[in-house]
Amino acid sequence: SYELTQPPSVSVSPGQTARITCSGDALPKQYAYWYQQKPGQAPVLVIYKDSERPSGIPERFSGSSSGTTVTLTISGVQAEDEADYYCQSADSSGTSRVFGGGTKLTVL
Amino acid sequence: EVQLVESGGGLVKPGGSLRLSCAASGFTFSSYSMNWVRQAPGKGLEWVSSISSSSSYIYYADSVKGRFTISRDNAKNSLYLQMNSLRAEDTAVYYCARDPNIVVVPKGGWFDPWGQGTLVTVSS
Repeated sequence: SYELTQPPSVSVSPGQTARITCSGDALPKQYAYWYQQKPGQAPVLVIYKDSERPSGIPERFSGSSSGTTVTLTISGVQAEDEADYYCQSADSSGTSRVFGGGTKLTVL
Repeated sequence: EVQLVESGGGLVKPGGSLRLSCAASGFTFSSYSMNWVRQAPGKGLEWVSSISSSSSYIYYADSVKGRFTISRDNAKNSLYLQMNSLRAEDTAVYYCARDPNIVVVPKGGWFDPWGQGTLVTVSS
């Protein structure tokens, strides 16, 4: 079955830039999406279609794509950004959606 | 305000059945594809199933195919997940989520917004 690969953890100091990657063979054909999940809460969409930002999401969140890897970038990280982040996409047929394993962002 | 509220979770024995519901409000439910996503305790997110706006297209993860059935009632603005032959590994919080892209065939796509989830525990 299709898989998306994320690093388990990323740590940054406040004000620095955090980059979280997600790799998958079908990413050149399928858009990627990113979700933020804080403890005890439902996930929240922060990036859609590789690089689009939903209304209400701070400008410090951005997304990019290059080949089989997509990246979520958080510029000027704040303490409130500490959370788990999941990428999501679909297999080449589009009928099966898949999540990456998640990345725990720690703000030092 | 778009709102999704799940219900029906609880404790069930292995091999048992459970039916989850998701009540939608604040949008034209019949126009959107809908989904179930689950999260085992302390684990990551796992897509479970998707259903198109008219119920014409339905997709399942391999892990639940043949055991779970997704359905919807557009007149009642409700989404359902019938879960049979439950296993310990089905223990999870089950989220209802809308696909915000209005399409006939729900290929690809994403989840926004999500409900708060309902906990299903499969244990003897």
